Amino acid sequence: SYELTQPPSVSVSPGQTARITCSGDALPEKYAYWYQQKSGQAPVLVIYDDNTRPSGIPERFSGSRSGTVATLTISGAQVEDEADYYCYSTDSSGTHWGVFGGGTKLTVL
Amino acid sequence: EVQLVDSGGGLVQPGGSLRLSCAASGFTVNNNYMSWVRQAPGKGLEWVSIIYTDGFTFYRDSVKGRFTISRDNSKNTLFLQMNSLRAEDTAVYYCARGIVSGAYYFDLWGQGTLVTVSS
Repeated sequence: SYELTQPPSVSVSPGQTARITCSGDALPEKYAYWYQQKSGQAPVLVIYDDNTRPSGIPERFSGSRSGTVATLTISGAQVEDEADYYCYSTDSSGTHWGVFGGGTKLTVL
Repeated sequence: EVQLVDSGGGLVQPGGSLRLSCAASGFTVNNNYMSWVRQAPGKGLEWVSIIYTDGFTFYRDSVKGRFTISRDNSKNTLFLQMNSLRAEDTAVYYCARGIVSGAYYFDLWGQGTLVTVSS
């Protein structure tokens, strides 16, 4: 089955740039999406269609995709950005499945 | 206000059944892709099932034949009927609205409802 691979954890100091990667064989054909999930809360969409921010998401969040790797970048990370981040895409083999990466715990301190 | 409200979770014995509900407001369930996503305790997000606007449904392999996704247009509500439940189905279940873009992604989530399968 199709998989998206993320690093388990990323750590930065406040004000630094955090980069979280997501690799998947189908990413050259499919958009990548990113969700932020804070403890005990439902996920929130922070990037869609590779690099577009939904309304209300701070400008410090950006996304990119190159080949089989998508990247979420948080420029000038804030303490309130500490959360789990999940990439998401869909399987390209005709299953119609949604697929989430394993998640990356971002620590900002 | 546009929102989704999940309900129906609880404690059930292995082999038992449970029906989850997701009440939508501010938009029409029938006109959108709708999905269920779950999260086992301390684990990541896992896509479970989706229903398209034309009624086609899809499931991950581990729930195929046991879970059924459906919707009631008169109640503007999404459902997940879960039968033959197993310990590994224990999770918070979220309903989510799907947006079509190439394939689909989720722009709106319910607050989640906890399902615990245990004797």
